[in-house]
Amino acid sequence: GENVEQHPSTLSVQEGDSAVIKCTYSDSASNYFPWYKQELGKRPQLIIDIRSNVGEKKDQRIAVTLNKTAKHFSLHITETQPEDSAVYFCAASIGSYQKVTFGTGTKLQVIP
Amino acid sequence: NAGVTQTPKFQVLKTGQSMTLQCAQDMNHNSMYWYRQDPGMGLRLIYYSASEGTTDKGEVPNGYNVSRLNKREFSLRLESAAPSQTSVYFCASSGGSRGFLTGANVLTFGAGSRLTVL
Repeated sequence: GENVEQHPSTLSVQEGDSAVIKCTYSDSASNYFPWYKQELGKRPQLIIDIRSNVGEKKDQRIAVTLNKTAKHFSLHITETQPEDSAVYFCAASIGSYQKVTFGTGTKLQVIP
Repeated sequence: NAGVTQTPKFQVLKTGQSMTLQCAQDMNHNSMYWYRQDPGMGLRLIYYSASEGTTDKGEVPNGYNVSRLNKREFSLRLESAAPSQTSVYFCASSGGSRGFLTGANVLTFGAGSRLTVL
C-alpha cells in the first residue's frame, strides 16, 4: 500500500519568515495530494490540495509543489503569522473515493 | 447542515469492554472513513467504506469492526477494548456526486472521539 513520509516533525520559525514542509510517497499511481491543518484540540481541515496534472498551486500565502518523477511534494507558507501555528499533515490518494494515506504530521510553531 | 457528527465525544472503558462509535454525515457523500490519531503517528486509517454496501481494511484494522448502515452512517465497534486502543478517533467522509476533478476527494472530519481504555 501507499506510504507517505513527512519531514520535519517539528518546525519553529520567526513570524514573517517562510516555512517549508516536505513529503514523499511510494505509490506512483497516487494522483491527489491534499494538505490538512489541525489546530490544537480541533479536527483536521483541508487548506490546499494538488492533483498530478499540475506541478504547482498557490493560494495567497500558501503554495504546494509536486514532483511526480521524484515522488515528492512540499508545502510552502510565506510571511508566517502566529495563527499558522498548528500541526500540518500531507496525504496521498489514488483517484476518486479511494482511501487517503496521511503523513505523520509537522508541528509548526510561529514565534511572534 | 451539520457535516460529520460523531458520538460520543469522550469515553472511558475498562479492558475487555465493548463499545460502538457512531458517525453520520448529511452531505450525501459516498465514502466514509475511520481514523485514529496518536501522538507522533499522524492519522492512521482503520477502515473505510468507498460506497454504501462496501467496507475495506485500512492500515490498522485489528481489534475493530465496522458497519456501513446506510449512505449516511458508518459505525466503528471495539469488541474487546485494549489499552493500546486508547486514542482519538476521527470519522470522515468524502465524495460528492460531482466527480474527482471537482473536489470529491476532500475529507470532511468529525470533531473526534477521545477514548481511554484502562
